[in-house]
Amino acid sequence: GAVVSQHPSRVICKSGTSVKIECRSLDFQATTMFWYRQFPKQSLMLMATSNEGSKATYEQGVEKDKFLINHASLTLSTLTVTSAHPEDSSFYICSAGEQGGWEQYFGPGTRLTVT
Amino acid sequence: AQTVTQSQPEMSVQEAETVTLSCTYDTSENNYYLFWYKQPPSRQMILVIRQEAYKQQNATENRFSVNFQKAAKSFSLKISDSQLGDTAMYFCAFMKYNNNDMRFGAGTRLTVKP
Repeated sequence: GAVVSQHPSRVICKSGTSVKIECRSLDFQATTMFWYRQFPKQSLMLMATSNEGSKATYEQGVEKDKFLINHASLTLSTLTVTSAHPEDSSFYICSAGEQGGWEQYFGPGTRLTVT
Repeated sequence: AQTVTQSQPEMSVQEAETVTLSCTYDTSENNYYLFWYKQPPSRQMILVIRQEAYKQQNATENRFSVNFQKAAKSFSLKISDSQLGDTAMYFCAFMKYNNNDMRFGAGTRLTVKP
């Protein structure tokens, strides 16, 4: 099946710094990628949807200037958390879909801890 | 907006027994997909089963089957012959047809006891 990777799997950063998380589709072209946030013992909340070559669509309540999403190629999307604060600590999961397909392929997630 | 409700935060079942996880959803769409995902302690999301709303026949995948009641907007998951490896969080999810925007329920933590 299709594989999606995320890097890094874990990251610790200091408050006020920025951190970038990469999401890659390894064996297919991902026309659409999704970014989710999952707090402990909670569900996945969609943050934004990105289509290759266009601006991301953010969900209501998600600050687009804080969570910068770039989907510059058909195999790579990045999420940059700018000026991170401890409340941004969470598990971030990306998923990717092929054009015309229904399935979303999920990455293994990135645990972000802001100290 | 679509909402997905899982009313059972936690459930447990004895190994080899059968358990049913509940899910209801709210939508005005006629065509859509419903999913059950498993999230084990590794946090990797694993697709368990998928149902297309236009299909009346309930989906089955080995020990996993669903009871899809479109009029009632209900989509329960039955796990037969439960195994220790089934211990995980289970999320019900909704996706509009031709729109990969997926919405998840709050999840049910299932524990299979030996």
